[in-house]
Amino acid sequence: AQKVTQAQTEISVVEKEDVTLDCVYETRDTTYYLFWYKQPPSGELVFLIRRNSFDEQNEISGRYSWNFQKSTSSFNFTITASQVVDSAVYFCALSLQGAQKLVFGQGTRLTINP
Amino acid sequence: DTEVTQTPKHLVMGMTNKKSLKCEQHMGHRAMYWYKQKAKKPPELMFVYSYEKLSINESVPSRFSPECPNSSLLNLHLHALQPEDSALYLCASSQFATGVHYGYTFGSGTRLTVV
Repeated sequence: AQKVTQAQTEISVVEKEDVTLDCVYETRDTTYYLFWYKQPPSGELVFLIRRNSFDEQNEISGRYSWNFQKSTSSFNFTITASQVVDSAVYFCALSLQGAQKLVFGQGTRLTINP
Repeated sequence: DTEVTQTPKHLVMGMTNKKSLKCEQHMGHRAMYWYKQKAKKPPELMFVYSYEKLSINESVPSRFSPECPNSSLLNLHLHALQPEDSALYLCASSQFATGVHYGYTFGSGTRLTVV
């Protein structure tokens, strides 16, 4: 069975601090896909990134960066110089090859204080 | 058009009412989904439609009845709901029906309150 663990339930930081959201996954399959979604208070889940299991390159997109390490089954997400608009619930998710279902972690509620 | 549109955004209904949630996408996506999300929880899959046919029903009670009239439209018919059914109902679509390789595009959801 597949599982995604986001051990940090809530994180609160002051604006401009860097913050890392942890994601650990479990699967026995060799082909899988990892995702991060952002859910602001409005409710919509916004796609942030997708990574397949064969691509361990880290990625940077503006203030966002992702560190994928198969050796530790982790796919962590870092926000640099956080802003109040980054306040949201962030979900890490896993999908297997051919599966139509995303397995979500429990989410991390991030609050950026001015 | 790269979005999934859900209506209504908010809905309050009594336990004897019949109502419907609507979801629309015009991205040519071949799979559509209904998720239910309770407060402070991740979304839970309810139904999956692939090529307009129901492919997954996650043992959802019959008071929830999905319908996919065409490739762009997905409905969720509600009847005799219970207060514990109050939640955010999210619709999503994905490009291929053979797997969620590229992730979902989610709608903004319908916040349902059953009184």
